[in-house]
Amino acid sequence: GDSVTQMEGPVTLSEEAFLTINCTYTATGYPSLFWYVQYPGEGLQLLLKATKADDKGSNKGFEATYRKETTSFHLEKGSVQVSDSAVYFCALPSLIQGAQKLVFGQGTRLTINP
Amino acid sequence: DVKVTQSSRYLVKRTGEKVFLECVQDMDHENMFWYRQDPGLGLRLIYFSYDVKMKEKGDIPEGYSVSREKKERFSLILESASTNQTSMYLCATVLPNTEAFFGQGTRLTVV
Repeated sequence: GDSVTQMEGPVTLSEEAFLTINCTYTATGYPSLFWYVQYPGEGLQLLLKATKADDKGSNKGFEATYRKETTSFHLEKGSVQVSDSAVYFCALPSLIQGAQKLVFGQGTRLTINP
Repeated sequence: DVKVTQSSRYLVKRTGEKVFLECVQDMDHENMFWYRQDPGLGLRLIYFSYDVKMKEKGDIPEGYSVSREKKERFSLILESASTNQTSMYLCATVLPNTEAFFGQGTRLTVV
């Protein structure tokens, strides 16, 4: 079945460091791909998305490119801030029993130190 | 903007109690989901529903049931709460092949 694999965390960086969180997927066809972010004490919210191969999603300085050759959707940011501390989830939609659900990676906890 | 509201942010219940977690969405979406979130395990799907009175088991349905009497409301029921059900519970609604919208989560502690 469809699945998502994220790099294991936790990840701890200093402010202004470069961030990469790896995400690879297994899926039938070419689904949309998503990154969600969960700030402390809150639910998940969409960070960015890409709907087809070679698309780049971007938001709040974060970017991710849909690479069908490597089945990857790695999240990057050039200069992280303390406010980026959160848990990040990679996800894709999957058709199960005629209904669409989202399949999530296990999440990567990011902590940014000042 | 889509709004998904969970009835409680924090709950503390005793072992053996029947627990209801309520979720309401305001966008007339058909698909609704209940996930639980545990450290190191990510989000695991408990149940989902694609229409009123319809429900499907997810990956970890044991110990849970759901109710969808109205399109906007999807309730998760713990028939007899146990300590291993202490977790963060997240409700979501999803449009086909587009993003999911989540509630703020309910942190349940069973003592």
